[in-house]
Amino acid sequence: DTGVSQDPRHKITKRGQNVTFRCDPISEHNRLYWYRQTLGQGPEFLTYFQNEAQLEKSRLLSDRFSAERPKGSFSTLEIQRTEQGDSAMYLCASSLATGELFFGEGSRLTVL
Amino acid sequence: GDSVTQMEGPVTLSEEAFLTINCTYTATGYPSLFWYVQYPGEGLQLLLKATKADDKGSNKGFEATYRKETTSFHLEKGSVQVSDSAVYFCALIQRKSGGSNYKLTFGKGTLLTVNP
Repeated sequence: DTGVSQDPRHKITKRGQNVTFRCDPISEHNRLYWYRQTLGQGPEFLTYFQNEAQLEKSRLLSDRFSAERPKGSFSTLEIQRTEQGDSAMYLCASSLATGELFFGEGSRLTVL
Repeated sequence: GDSVTQMEGPVTLSEEAFLTINCTYTATGYPSLFWYVQYPGEGLQLLLKATKADDKGSNKGFEATYRKETTSFHLEKGSVQVSDSAVYFCALIQRKSGGSNYKLTFGKGTLLTVNP
């Protein structure tokens, strides 16, 4: 399978804990995106990387959130001191420049 | 800012029925428009797209026409199948100078259920 893969698919955590999600994009794609989707809503843009450079962060990405793409390949999204409002599906997508976005299946976070 | 409004679901149809899911948008300039589909347990997939006014995107029997005068991009299919049951998202990307088109703005999604 050469699509976008995300891990873990589902994470249940207690409020206040830190969680990290990983995204492995399609190998030749230089662009990588993180979106968040809550129940009954469409995905919302969080952040965007071109190679290893993080070029934009949404206002939705509070200082408890950090994303990295250290070698321009896989990316991690870390949420510190999780809150119940962080419960959502976190989607990763990748693309070539100006090309179609290919989405992974998402990582569902449940904060108790 | 940019926004997408699509008809609220859920939509329940019988097999072979005609489908329309309405989508309208608010955006400055001339965005590109998309329909994405999310089948149960799977990731979002691009269904079709249109990049300029009067373009018609089509795929798997689905069609949508970019109507600038009504700022709409309604999704249609003449005869739905049970396998079309999914959530459908309308979305746009704003064209920016320098080619930095990357932020998709999505509607809330419409759940379609097709019964045999």
